[in-house]
Amino acid sequence: GNSVTQMEGPVTLSEEAFLTINCTYTATGYPSLFWYVQYPGEGLQLLLKATKADDKGSNKGFEATYRKETTSFHLEKGSVQVSDSAVYFCARRNTGNQFYFGTGTSLTVIP
Amino acid sequence: GAVVSQHPSRVICKSGTSVKIECRSLDFQATTMFWYRQFPKQSLMLMATSNEGSKATYEQGVEKDKFLINHASLTLSTLTVTSAHPEDSSFYICSGGTGLETQYFGPGTRLLVL
Repeated sequence: GNSVTQMEGPVTLSEEAFLTINCTYTATGYPSLFWYVQYPGEGLQLLLKATKADDKGSNKGFEATYRKETTSFHLEKGSVQVSDSAVYFCARRNTGNQFYFGTGTSLTVIP
Repeated sequence: GAVVSQHPSRVICKSGTSVKIECRSLDFQATTMFWYRQFPKQSLMLMATSNEGSKATYEQGVEKDKFLINHASLTLSTLTVTSAHPEDSSFYICSGGTGLETQYFGPGTRLLVL
């Protein structure tokens, strides 16, 4: 299968709090894994990616590690900011380059 | 990074009419583009793979006669929603890429069928 299971939201955090958004995928082969972010009123933007096991993707303070043993790609950030408020999507890409997305997690960071 | 545009950004139409949405890769050529649909507060669902010069490949459950896809050139794919109904109201997003590593997503088209 091509499913991606993502932690449901919404998530509300105070500024500078630690963020974790869980994501697991079905283990058919070794897909590339991605986190996309959608800011209010905008399209999807690539946040980070990992293409093989044990790879760590990172960008803008966000990190995610490709864990083959737990089929997970959890998103973390040590200190969130108000500007991080958005919807975050975990996704896997199959060999045909199609993307399969999780349900999205809405994050609101309050000052 | 590469840019993908969509036109129109929003469209309102009457039930029973057809609506065409364009997806263009502005600074790269894409032999394959993808169309997604996003319902409010839900995830993107892959609808179909658009192949330049050949027929599109549709995901299970997507009506190919209702969602016509044409990929006439390496920089343009179109999605036509035929005989639109209110339940077709959604956010339609396309993507394209230069290779296997990265896909660039368009800003989306919001369709409202009255």
